[in-house]
Order: sequence, then structure tokens, then C-alpha cells
Amino acid sequence: SSELTQDPAVSVALGQTVRITCQGDSLRSYYASWYQQKAGQAPVLVMSGQNKRPSGIPDRFSGSSSGDTASLTITGTQAEDEADYYCSFRDSSAKHWVFGGGTKLTVL
Amino acid sequence: QLQLQESGPGLVKPSETLSLTCTVSRGSIGRSNFYWGWIRQPPGKSLEWIASKYYSGDTYYNPSLKSRVTISVDTSKNQFSLKLNSVTAADTSVYYCARHYINYEDNWFDPWGQGTLVTVSS
Repeated sequence: SSELTQDPAVSVALGQTVRITCQGDSLRSYYASWYQQKAGQAPVLVMSGQNKRPSGIPDRFSGSSSGDTASLTITGTQAEDEADYYCSFRDSSAKHWVFGGGTKLTVL
Repeated sequence: QLQLQESGPGLVKPSETLSLTCTVSRGSIGRSNFYWGWIRQPPGKSLEWIASKYYSGDTYYNPSLKSRVTISVDTSKNQFSLKLNSVTAADTSVYYCARHYINYEDNWFDPWGQGTLVTVSS
């Protein structure tokens, strides 16, 4: 089975740009999806496919992919973006799905 | 806007069966091109996908849980359910239900239910 690697924690100054990455072999074949989870709340989809933002997600969120690495970029980070971010993708077997370990984003 | 709500016991004894139901509102399970899935999150840890099912039968299970898990869909009640048998303390988690879009390249879970904490303890 495949594994996804995420940095456990990232910090960013208010208003600056931050990139959260997710690395895994299956990302060469499948797009990652990204989820924001604030404390005590359910995850929310913020990005999928080739830079597709669901309705209601601010356009400061963008996604990209290169090789075995997918990235979620927040441009002009706001205080309300402080959360845990998880990537997910379809395993190379195409029969199950995997989540990364999550990245805790702190906005300074 | 589609809404999902989990329900079921918050406490299950070791070796027994965990049973949860997800009720879908403002949308139909049976008239869509989506799968319906379960994901769990142990306290303080990451997310783990459990299973997903299409209303007409196609089903996927997490290989690490497959021997203990059953997912089912009841279109007449607009609900889908999860059964996890022979539970241990390691199954203590917040359990989420979610709509699951499955395409060859693009796959995502949205929306999610609010989650329900299930504790396994005697």
C-alpha cells in the first residue's frame, strides 16, 4: 500500500504565503484532495483535482502537483486559516484511499 | 445543501459490534453518481478511510479493516450504515460519514457529517 508524507507542522506570518506539501508515489497517477480541520470540527474539502476549489472556499487557496508531490498554497494567509490540513489520494491499487498524517498550520 | 448526520451508541464494549448510521438530507443517495463513505479519526491522530459504497452495490474496503467491516446502503431511508465487529480500544475514534466522489484521477470526500465519538471500553 502507499503512504503519504506531510510535514507535521508549519508556521506562517499573517498575510504571507505558505505552501503545505504531501508526498507519495501514487501522486504520480492520482490527484490529491485537501481538507481543512479546525479544532473540534469535521474536516472540510478545500481543494481537489487539478486546482479545483469547492464553492465557498476563498481564492487564496490554490493547489498544484509535480511528480510525487502535491501542494496546497495559501496566499495572504488569514488568522482563520489556522487549522490542521490533510491530504488524501487514491492508492496505487485504485481500490482504497489514504490520508496523510496532517500538517498543523500556525498563523503568527 | 446536502447534509449528513451520524448516529449510534457512543460506548461499545470490547469484542462487540460497533454500529453507526448516517442519515442524508437535502439530497438522495439513490439518484446520484456518488459513493457514500466512512472515515474515522482516533483522538489526536490523523484520518483513516474505512469503506465506501455505491447505492447499487460497488463497494470498497480498507484492506486493514476489511475482515471486520460491513457497509450498507438503504435507499428507502436515505441512510447508509457501518458495522465494525470485534472492536478493541484501538477502534476508539470519532467516526465521520461523507459523500465520496470517485473518478479515475480525481477523488474527494464532501460534505462530511459532524462526526460521532465512539469509545470502546468495558
